[in-house]
Amino acid sequence: NAGVTQTPKFQVLKTGQSMTLQCAQDMNHNSMYWYRQDPGMGLRLIYYSASEGTTDKGEVPNGYNVSRLNKREFSLRLESAAPSQTSVYFCASMLDRGIGELFFGEGSRLTVL
Amino acid sequence: AQSVTQLDSQVPVFEEAPVELRCNYSSSVSVYLFWYVQYPNQGLQLLLKYLSGSTLVKGINGFEAEFNKSQTSFHLRKPSVHISDTAEYFCAVSNTGGGNKLTFGTGTQLKVEL
Repeated sequence: NAGVTQTPKFQVLKTGQSMTLQCAQDMNHNSMYWYRQDPGMGLRLIYYSASEGTTDKGEVPNGYNVSRLNKREFSLRLESAAPSQTSVYFCASMLDRGIGELFFGEGSRLTVL
Repeated sequence: AQSVTQLDSQVPVFEEAPVELRCNYSSSVSVYLFWYVQYPNQGLQLLLKYLSGSTLVKGINGFEAEFNKSQTSFHLRKPSVHISDTAEYFCAVSNTGGGNKLTFGTGTQLKVEL
């Protein structure tokens, strides 16, 4: 049972480069989320998708775009990476009636030089 | 909007000692409350949650938390910790109208020592 799978696990970029973080869940969850984790700041919501075909901004959306490709997949794109986007990114999903129970991937560590 | 405050960034404790990790929240509406745990190099997993009913909730690995509405707190406790409890713990809140959108605190690193 894979749960939530994120790729890549590690990535180093130069300022201005673009990249896409991929996320897929096999639990048939409707809601999916992208968070970033920074030391001393906890987890901050970047974007979320309450259902296939919908996406909404979270707390820190600037510099990011998302695509809910289908029910399983939710990708996060950095169009022009900046050093401030150096972080650990987590994808998560939630069952409709599983109030607050997020299932997380193992994270993607991104460094922007 | 809601917010969560975890005042203790690090809590060192000896094995078999009790521990309390503090969490206070702010919200103008009714809330759901959660504790998540993150082991090194892993994603977060749900430890316990308060939705309604009894204010004392029990979670996995012997942890429990008590919802105190008057003090807007949801402190996490364990009577006797183990080395394997070393991890980062996050308190989170959502309002009852939007239970699928959580706001997390900054986390408390629990370090259990021999």
